[in-house]
Amino acid sequence: NAGVTQTPKFRVLKTGQSMTLLCAQDMNHEYMYWYRQDPGMGLRLIHYSVGEGTTAKGEVPDGYNVSRLKKQNFLLGLESAAPSQTSVYFCASSSIVRQGGSQPQHFGDGTRLSIL
Amino acid sequence: GENVEQHPSTLSVQEGDSAVIKCTYSDSASNYFPWYKQELGKRPQLIIDIRSNVGEKKDQRIAVTLNKTAKHFSLHITETQPEDSAVYFCAPRVGSNYQLIWGAGTKLIIKP
Repeated sequence: NAGVTQTPKFRVLKTGQSMTLLCAQDMNHEYMYWYRQDPGMGLRLIHYSVGEGTTAKGEVPDGYNVSRLKKQNFLLGLESAAPSQTSVYFCASSSIVRQGGSQPQHFGDGTRLSIL
Repeated sequence: GENVEQHPSTLSVQEGDSAVIKCTYSDSASNYFPWYKQELGKRPQLIIDIRSNVGEKKDQRIAVTLNKTAKHFSLHITETQPEDSAVYFCAPRVGSNYQLIWGAGTKLIIKP
């Protein structure tokens, strides 16, 4: 049982290049999230999904796109990378959230992305 | 939108002493209050959470208290140990939109 797996772990891109970050979870969770974490800051939500085939914007969605074609996978795409997107990207998943209920999020190990 | 602040930003305590980190939020609709621990270079991990209908919750050396009237909740760690050194984040949830709003983090340093 691997939990949440992110690939790749590290990547260096040049400005304008594109790439896709993959997140896979084996816990049968309905909800999945993509965050970015910049030095000295908390996590900021980029996009999230509450089920297969659905996605929604978070706090900082500009410059990113996502897809959830399969329940276990959540892809984050950068169409034209910019230096401001240099960050550590975390994927997380959680089971169905009931009104007022707990929402433990399980995180992957992160992807360290540098844009030159 | 929700405004979340953590205090202090850095906390240094002697091993064996207690540590308290406070998180204030602005949206009265917040209904779920977790604390996450992130060790250097690692993933965030949930250490304790509390729901809005509960005032306090304890798990061994860790406790969380909630004051909904004042809109703050606190993390309490007793008998601190070296392995408690990490950055701690609060991340209250607003309403039913599944989004956690993360604080900037508190770096806890345990002095031997």
